[in-house]
Amino acid sequence: NAGVTQTPKFRVLKTGQSMTLLCAQDMNHEYMYWYRQDPGMGLRLIHYSVGEGTTAKGEVPDGYNVSRLKKQNFLLGLESAAPSQTSVYFCASSGSGRQGEQYFGPGTRLTVT
Amino acid sequence: DAKTTQPNSMESNEEEPVHLPCNHSTISGTDYIHWYRQLPSQGPEYVIHGLTSNVNNRMASLAIAEDRKSSTLILHRATLRDAAVYYCILKQSTSGTYKYIFGTGTRLKVLA
Repeated sequence: NAGVTQTPKFRVLKTGQSMTLLCAQDMNHEYMYWYRQDPGMGLRLIHYSVGEGTTAKGEVPDGYNVSRLKKQNFLLGLESAAPSQTSVYFCASSGSGRQGEQYFGPGTRLTVT
Repeated sequence: DAKTTQPNSMESNEEEPVHLPCNHSTISGTDYIHWYRQLPSQGPEYVIHGLTSNVNNRMASLAIAEDRKSSTLILHRATLRDAAVYYCILKQSTSGTYKYIFGTGTRLKVLA
């Protein structure tokens, strides 16, 4: 059981470039989430998904797009990266029950220059 | 959205109990209270959760005020490995979907 995995672990982009972060979970969870964490801050929800084929906006969705084509995968895209998107990105998944806890991936450290 | 308020930092001596407080005065009746912790350079990990009653598990205890406007995470014997940022989070239910609202957390320092 790998849990939640994220690729890549690190990435440096130039302003205006695009990239996709991949999150995969092997726990058959319905819910998946993308967060960003800026230095010294808590996590802020970017987008989330309550099931295959569905996505919804979180607190800070601007500049990001997501897709959930398969239940086990949740992709986060940056179409035109900006320095303000320099952050650590965490993916998480959880079951659909009211009580279920979230399981987090190890994070992707993204720097936009 | 409801929010949580925690002290920025706390210190504890090793092998002593630690009480980490959290205020969530705007909590809704169906919001679960979750606690996670984040070790350096890692993703958050689940610690404990509850709705109205106090809860115990192998990692910690959660004491919830009767009016649910505050809660306290209790580590019974702090170890050096417990040094982390502890987040008190509300799991909110809206139209059958769930969101987790993170605060800024409490950085716990454990002194040897």
